[in-house]
Amino acid sequence: QKEVEQNSGPLSVPEGAIASLNCTYSDRGSQSFFWYRQYSGKSPELIMFIYSNGDKEDGRFTAQLNKASQYVSLLIRDSQPSDSATYLCAVNRNSGGYQKVTFGTGTKLQVIP
Amino acid sequence: DGGITQSPKYLFRKEGQNVTLSCEQNLNHDAMYWYRQDPGQGLRLIYYSQIVNDFQKGDIAEGYSVSREKKESFPLTVTSAQKNPTAFYLCASSIGTADLDGYTFGSGTRLTVV
Repeated sequence: QKEVEQNSGPLSVPEGAIASLNCTYSDRGSQSFFWYRQYSGKSPELIMFIYSNGDKEDGRFTAQLNKASQYVSLLIRDSQPSDSATYLCAVNRNSGGYQKVTFGTGTKLQVIP
Repeated sequence: DGGITQSPKYLFRKEGQNVTLSCEQNLNHDAMYWYRQDPGQGLRLIYYSQIVNDFQKGDIAEGYSVSREKKESFPLTVTSAQKNPTAFYLCASSIGTADLDGYTFGSGTRLTVV
């Protein structure tokens, strides 16, 4: 089982719809969770992080964390063509005194005008 | 503006040649990291450094070397021992070793073996 798993996609949604991106992780000791957006050929950009169970909202983005189910998701409301990118889930856990971050392979999102 | 600068943007390496990728940050971050990204494999950690003059191997350190002589700089050398170096290399930094606030990434270096 991979430490961090994401569906590679592509996930296609029409403009204005809600895009739902999902991520599962294997280590119950994981402490913090991140979503990065990566446009093709560019470097990742941090868009959300969440530490506690529940929802965290920032503009059109909502991160949801369920530690019991080892599941983290990212909702993008009113999706725009500019949201088309690959979304990387990253999970942080303590490994021998060092905070180790593991990335998923990413989900490609396509927003259709 | 604060940020991380990676250079060059594109790099071509001949067989048997060592090449060095530059990474400089002016964010006053303590921790710096090198990742490699290959299609379909996500980001894999090569080396990381939590303080000056100290660094640790990541998951795929073989064939790579680093130094951390200054807080601002964390160069990566891809040696001839790295048999498959063609990839997108990303340098990142974080405020401290806790990593709780996430990473800031540089713009990356795309390395190709010719």
